[in-house]
Amino acid sequence: QSALTQPASVSGSPGQSITISCTGTSSDVGSYNLVSWYQQHPGKAPKLMIYEGSKRPSGVSNRFSGSKSGNTASLTISGLQAEDEAEYYCCSYASTRIFYVFGTGTKVTVL
Amino acid sequence: EVQLVESGGGLIQPGGSLRLSCAASGFNVSNNYMSWVRQAPGKGLEWVSVIYSGGTTYYADSVKGRFFISRDDSKNTLYLQMNSLRAEDTAVYYCARGVGEIDYWGQGALVTVSS
Repeated sequence: QSALTQPASVSGSPGQSITISCTGTSSDVGSYNLVSWYQQHPGKAPKLMIYEGSKRPSGVSNRFSGSKSGNTASLTISGLQAEDEAEYYCCSYASTRIFYVFGTGTKVTVL
Repeated sequence: EVQLVESGGGLIQPGGSLRLSCAASGFNVSNNYMSWVRQAPGKGLEWVSVIYSGGTTYYADSVKGRFFISRDDSKNTLYLQMNSLRAEDTAVYYCARGVGEIDYWGQGALVTVSS
């Protein structure tokens, strides 16, 4: 099972909106509404930002939103802030055999 | 307060074995899905294994037959027994609550497989 495909890097200026894509297949992203997104700062553990495609855990800013179309899930960060600079990973349920697969990761840079 | 504290990482020779422990506090591991996720140096996240509250276990193909997840409910601790270790198993291993949606992570334990 290959990792889900994400762009290596995305950048934006403070206040702008950016979108990170996460492309899978009809066997994972396309088949289940079980995509989650994680933020990871250097040297730190990941933090859950979005689950079940578009739900935000308590305490996560509403500047973060998730969506899905076909085999591609997306994470949008609106009103970009300096603290949003981090690595972002998507994750999807893939099957009872493969179970879960992460994306390749996207480095977000705030210009 | 929920906390997950890993221990047991270190330097091990190829072919060797190591057991990671994850002491949980603030909740019961027995009532939750508990996972191990690893991250090779400079690389992305990789799901390794999960144990359900009922005891059912699942593994990534890359570790199946070599790694074994378990828990001790009396100690509220999760374990990962790693056998026949390979250089490509070198990574930070995170203990985590949940599986697809992981709401709590440990600080990570570094496992280095090298001669």
